[in-house]
Amino acid sequence: EIVLTQSPGTLSLSPGERATLSCRASQSVSSSYLAWYQQKPGQAPRLLIYGASSRASGIPDRFSGSGSGTDFTLTISRLEPEDFAVYYCQQYGSSPQTFGQGTKLEIK
Amino acid sequence: QVQLVQSGPEVKKPGSSVKVSCKASGGTFSSYAISWVRQAPGQGLEWMGGIIPIFGTANYAQKFQGRVTITADKSTSTAYMELSSLRSEDTAVYYCAKAAAAAGKPSSFDYWGQGTLVTVSS
Repeated sequence: EIVLTQSPGTLSLSPGERATLSCRASQSVSSSYLAWYQQKPGQAPRLLIYGASSRASGIPDRFSGSGSGTDFTLTISRLEPEDFAVYYCQQYGSSPQTFGQGTKLEIK
Repeated sequence: QVQLVQSGPEVKKPGSSVKVSCKASGGTFSSYAISWVRQAPGQGLEWMGGIIPIFGTANYAQKFQGRVTITADKSTSTAYMELSSLRSEDTAVYYCAKAAAAAGKPSSFDYWGQGTLVTVSS
C-alpha cells in the first residue's frame, strides 16, 4: 500500500501568514488522485482539494494544492483564524486508499 | 444538499460485534460509493472499506478482511458497517463518507457522516 508522510507534524503560524504543508508518497500517486481534508476537533473531515489541485465546492481560494508523482503541497495563502485545524492528505488512486498522519496547524 | 446521518454511540464488550448505520438523504444514493473510515482517539484516518449500492458488492482493506461487513439497503438509502471480534484497539469514531465521483471511478469523499463513537471495554 502507498504510505503518505506529512510534514511538518505541527506548524505554528500567525493569522495572515502563509502556510505550506507537505505530503510525500512512498510510490507515485496515479493520475494525481490526491486529496486534502481539514478536520477541526469533534468534527468530521471536510474536503478541501481533490485531484491534487482542484478546490472542492465552497472552498475559499486562499487554499490551493499542487504537485504530482510523489510530492504534493497544500498552501494556505493568508491564514484566517478558522484555518487552524488538522490537515490530512489522502491518495485514492490505489487500493487501499490511504491517509497521511496529519499536520496540525496551530496559532503561534 | 446531501446529508449522511449515522446511528448513535455504542459500548461493546471485547469479542462482540457492532453494526453502525449511515442514512443518506438529498442525493442519488445508489450511484455513489459509500466508504467507512475510522479514527482512533487522537489518531489519524483509516479507510476500512466501501460499497457501491447500485452494484451491491463491497471491497475491504486487507487489515479488516474477515472482520468487517459493509452492506447497503437501496430501499432506505442506508449503508451499514458491521465489525466483529471487537477488541480494545477498535475503540474509535467510525465515519461513513460519500464518494465525490460516480460509481467505479477513483474518488475523494465530499460528504461525511457526523461519526459514531464505538467504545470497546470490558
